[in-house]
Amino acid sequence: DGGITQSPKYLFRKEGQNVTLSCEQNLNHDAMYWYRQDPGQGLRLIYYSQIVNDFQKGDIAEGYSVSREKKESFPLTVTSAQKNPTAFYLCASSSHLAASTDTQYFGPGTRLTVL
Amino acid sequence: AQSVAQPEDQVNVAEGNPLTVKCTYSVSGNPYLFWYVQYPNRGLQFLLKYITGDNLVKGSYGFEAEFNKSQTSFHLKKPSALVSDSALYFCAVSFTFSGGYNKLIFGAGTRLAVHP
Repeated sequence: DGGITQSPKYLFRKEGQNVTLSCEQNLNHDAMYWYRQDPGQGLRLIYYSQIVNDFQKGDIAEGYSVSREKKESFPLTVTSAQKNPTAFYLCASSSHLAASTDTQYFGPGTRLTVL
Repeated sequence: AQSVAQPEDQVNVAEGNPLTVKCTYSVSGNPYLFWYVQYPNRGLQFLLKYITGDNLVKGSYGFEAEFNKSQTSFHLKKPSALVSDSALYFCAVSFTFSGGYNKLIFGAGTRLAVHP
């Protein structure tokens, strides 16, 4: 899990509620990512960011929002518009988004459950 | 379309025996391939990657992977399995999309069970 921290480890959300997942890295990486993991489906990209104040939608961005106000931080908000948010959420970072050979390093994850 | 396939949902192997976890890929351009391991309720840990050069790549915890361009495969191997190797393994390929950015495309994962 290296220098990437995610909090909380477990999160419970009520219907209609927005929740924010924290991701912090001390690796001095430019690029950060959010993935969603569901059983048997591998990882799917939600959002990614190359630099501060810049981020792009990934493959499944609907119902999610992000911000990148600091290089070290990339919080993910799961909004009430996300109809099936129960999943394991993983944050990752890499040196540069444009470097195809860079390794992505992952945080320990946050398990979100809708009550 | 860029894709990664892990044809086995689960692989069972006895402790001490060699193990292989299979991965095939489809990508335009040069393939940059990665293997990660995930223990229960944990994040993904990087094992190894193939960028260029020697087709046999050595990684963490005694794992290695063989790149085969003609078969478009990147199988993960270990000569002697340990019970502690039991985990979920993901193969991934790096893909460059519009704008010059890169992302990883993951396979669905293979669960490795090593029995004493």
